Amino acid sequence: SQTIHQWPATLVQPVGSPLSLECTVEGTSNPNLYWYRQAAGRGLQLLFYSVGIGQISSEVPQNLSASRPQDRQFILSSKKLLLSDSGFYLCAWREFGNEKLFFGSGTQLSVL
Amino acid sequence: GIQVEQSPPDLILQEGANSTLRCNFSDSVNNLQWFHQNPWGQLINLFYIPSGTKQNGRLSATTVATERYSLLYISSSQTTDSGVYFCAVESPSGTYKYIFGTGTRLKVLA
Repeated sequence: SQTIHQWPATLVQPVGSPLSLECTVEGTSNPNLYWYRQAAGRGLQLLFYSVGIGQISSEVPQNLSASRPQDRQFILSSKKLLLSDSGFYLCAWREFGNEKLFFGSGTQLSVL
Repeated sequence: GIQVEQSPPDLILQEGANSTLRCNFSDSVNNLQWFHQNPWGQLINLFYIPSGTKQNGRLSATTVATERYSLLYISSSQTTDSGVYFCAVESPSGTYKYIFGTGTRLKVLA
């Protein structure tokens, strides 16, 4: 069966520090991969999505970037975090040919 | 881009009550899903329903694509139903993007 792993669960980082969040999917090939962010008490904002290795689409111009070095690995990065980068980051995947979206357990990022 | 609005934004129910949550979208969509986000942040896929009606236990959903709305029905609500309910739509342009609605925060009181 397919599973999605996202880590870490919580992260506290100082302003100006770098960021790397990792997401991996098991049990499937060539998934569509997504990064969403959720501010406290708000909805989900699509940040990046990828339909294949090295193919990244950015939805919101910001301080973040994404990479997909392997088929089932999706990484969210920042060179210098801002206070406004705080939030709940969720990775999601969708199997090729399947319309359903499945989410990881999320990373709560606090930038202080 | 496509806009997705949900109503009501907040809902408080007594255990055992029924409720209807609504999702309106501004353009034609390929796919529509309903999710429940529990108090720990986990998003659970409830229904994949681009059109028609589906039922799963106490939950059911109806999408009328031609009129650009979807409804989620919760019957005999339980405290475990508390959380935030989101609908998400994929535009028909083949972009593979799922856009989320504004959410309905539900609290069920014992």
